[in-house]
Amino acid sequence: QSALTQPPSASGSPGQSVTISCTGTSSDVGGYNYVSWYQQHPGKAPKLMIYEVSKRPSGVPDRFSGSKSGNTASLTVSGLQAEDEADYHCSSHAGGNSVPFGGGTKLTVL
Amino acid sequence: EVQLVESGGGLVQPGGSLRLSCAASGFTFSTYDMNWVRQAPGKGLEWVSHISGSGTAMHYADSVKGRFTISRDNAKNSLYLQMNSLRAEDSAVYYCARGTSLSGYNWGQGTLVIVSS
Repeated sequence: QSALTQPPSASGSPGQSVTISCTGTSSDVGGYNYVSWYQQHPGKAPKLMIYEVSKRPSGVPDRFSGSKSGNTASLTVSGLQAEDEADYHCSSHAGGNSVPFGGGTKLTVL
Repeated sequence: EVQLVESGGGLVQPGGSLRLSCAASGFTFSTYDMNWVRQAPGKGLEWVSHISGSGTAMHYADSVKGRFTISRDNAKNSLYLQMNSLRAEDSAVYYCARGTSLSGYNWGQGTLVIVSS
């Protein structure tokens, strides 16, 4: 069982927006503004899409945005494109000597 | 360009050992914390171990503590994971990852470890 809880699946049509949640506790997601999101295409390595809750690394489209409320972080993909179909994983700082990840969410573009 | 290239994976019997390597390039290796993160088939990501840039601080997931040892050679721009007493549940793709839980991680392509008799 993963330390952070994500829905197993999400979907949307091209052009629509989809939001994926990541729920933790006050010891991780709720306690720090250090949530990261990763995109992973089948058979490929994860790619950093969001860090520090809402910051985008260079080269990540601004269609990807992050936010947090309480113990739940969210990743929103706006203007869905076919290439956005992938697994998305969240992670959080937890203050101690371990790093929790979510179980991953499979995003399907209909 | 940041490049992380893992090697050393393969098929090993339960109770056996394996040493993974990660060759880094495109950045000043010694100034970055490094990690190993694994992903069992069809499962999510699981953080395994972390080492500071200087190599003086190491941390491990409870699931591997006492069996795995992380190390680095900054002169060779290389990261290692010595895995002993391997179990079936250690079977996974092992990723080398640069960074921390504060900054987020940049990832290598991974190396597959299969523990089976």
